[in-house]
Amino acid sequence: NAGVTQTPKFRILKIGQSMTLQCAQDMNHNYMYWYRQDPGMGLKLIYYSVGAGITDKGEVPNGYNVSRSTTEDFPLRLELAAPSQTSVYFCASSYSTGDDGELFFGEGSRLTVL
Amino acid sequence: AQKITQTQPGMFVQEKEAVTLDCTYDTSDPSYGLFWYKQPSSGEMIFLIYQGSYDQQNATEGRYSLNFQKARKSANLVISASQLGDSAMYFCAMGPPGYSTLTFGKGTMLLVSP
Repeated sequence: NAGVTQTPKFRILKIGQSMTLQCAQDMNHNYMYWYRQDPGMGLKLIYYSVGAGITDKGEVPNGYNVSRSTTEDFPLRLELAAPSQTSVYFCASSYSTGDDGELFFGEGSRLTVL
Repeated sequence: AQKITQTQPGMFVQEKEAVTLDCTYDTSDPSYGLFWYKQPSSGEMIFLIYQGSYDQQNATEGRYSLNFQKARKSANLVISASQLGDSAMYFCAMGPPGYSTLTFGKGTMLLVSP
């Protein structure tokens, strides 16, 4: 099972460049999420989606955009990259129903903005 | 707003001993879920255990148990019979039941020695 797949795993950007982090899941989960993890910190929610065509902001959405055109894919777009966006980005998905809401994470994408 | 506090930056334990990782939380929501995740040095996030706020019994998953004290707003993780492979960063998190827009703590680094 592939689970949650993120690409790229590593990327270096120059200030002002743009890029898209790709995320795909093959578990037919309705809910998908983007988190970022800064060094020595816990994860913070950037954006999430409860289904195709529906997205909402998390705790730290500024400087990012998302779209959800299919159940499987949830790309994260960085516009005008800034050094403050240097972080490890995790995509995750979860079942739409059920009490436990367990998150299934991708392996992470390490982004450095110089 | 929800808040998670993990006051132990690091913990040391000898192999085969039990260890408790502390987590306190703050929320005004009447219903919520509490989670523990493990992050080894390789970076992936691994789900360990879940506790719902209305669950009468403490959650257990193999060697992991969650000591849930609702009145004290604490959700400590107990690892019994520690193993060398338990050395990792451990994150406590909380969110609404059913889906995982989680708030994470800053984590506790656990080191297990032979």
